[in-house]
Amino acid sequence: AQSVAQPEDQVNVAEGNPLTVKCTYSVSGNPYLFWYVQYPNRGLQFLLKYITGDNLVKGSYGFEAEFNKSQTSFHLKKPSALVSDSALYFCAVRDISGATNKLIFGTGTLLAVQP
Amino acid sequence: DGGITQSPKYLFRKEGQNVTLSCEQNLNHDAMYWYRQDPGQGLRLIYYSQIVNDFQKGDIAEGYSVSREKKESFPLTVTSAQKNPTAFYLCASSIDRVDSNTGELFFGEGSRLTVL
Repeated sequence: AQSVAQPEDQVNVAEGNPLTVKCTYSVSGNPYLFWYVQYPNRGLQFLLKYITGDNLVKGSYGFEAEFNKSQTSFHLKKPSALVSDSALYFCAVRDISGATNKLIFGTGTLLAVQP
Repeated sequence: DGGITQSPKYLFRKEGQNVTLSCEQNLNHDAMYWYRQDPGQGLRLIYYSQIVNDFQKGDIAEGYSVSREKKESFPLTVTSAQKNPTAFYLCASSIDRVDSNTGELFFGEGSRLTVL
């Protein structure tokens, strides 16, 4: 079965420092991978996706993610964190078991950026 | 602007009452989804629909019901059979054609249901 894991419940980083939010996946076949961000009491906003091609994917708000097939990882990164980046981040993988667009989400990682 | 509208934003209900959450989209998307979010558990799929007048159970459908009478609308009813209905509910939609099917979901702003 397809799944994603986000091993860290919370990541703390100082403003201006680089940040990494980790995600590993388990799929049969080629994965479609996604990152979403959620601010308090709001819906999820799409950040970026990997379908195929270049392993480094660039997304919204200066975020990028690196697809690593050998390590089955898709970590989210940003070179310089902002306080406004503080939010809940979800990694997701497309469920290919049926002909649908169902996404399977990780449990989320709370990013806290200190000024 | 195109998007997904959920209402109400906040809802309180007494035990034993049914409640219906509204979800409307004007993105012309074929597929619509309902997810439930609880702290520390991520998002869990309740129901989804790929086409009008058809829908499928997700992972946690018990105690919930849906309808898809129009392409734009996918209301969710939380019934009194749902044992622990207090949660944040998220509606989403996506393009579902094979030739443009990359899996990206577009989300509404959510509805927070509290059972008193």
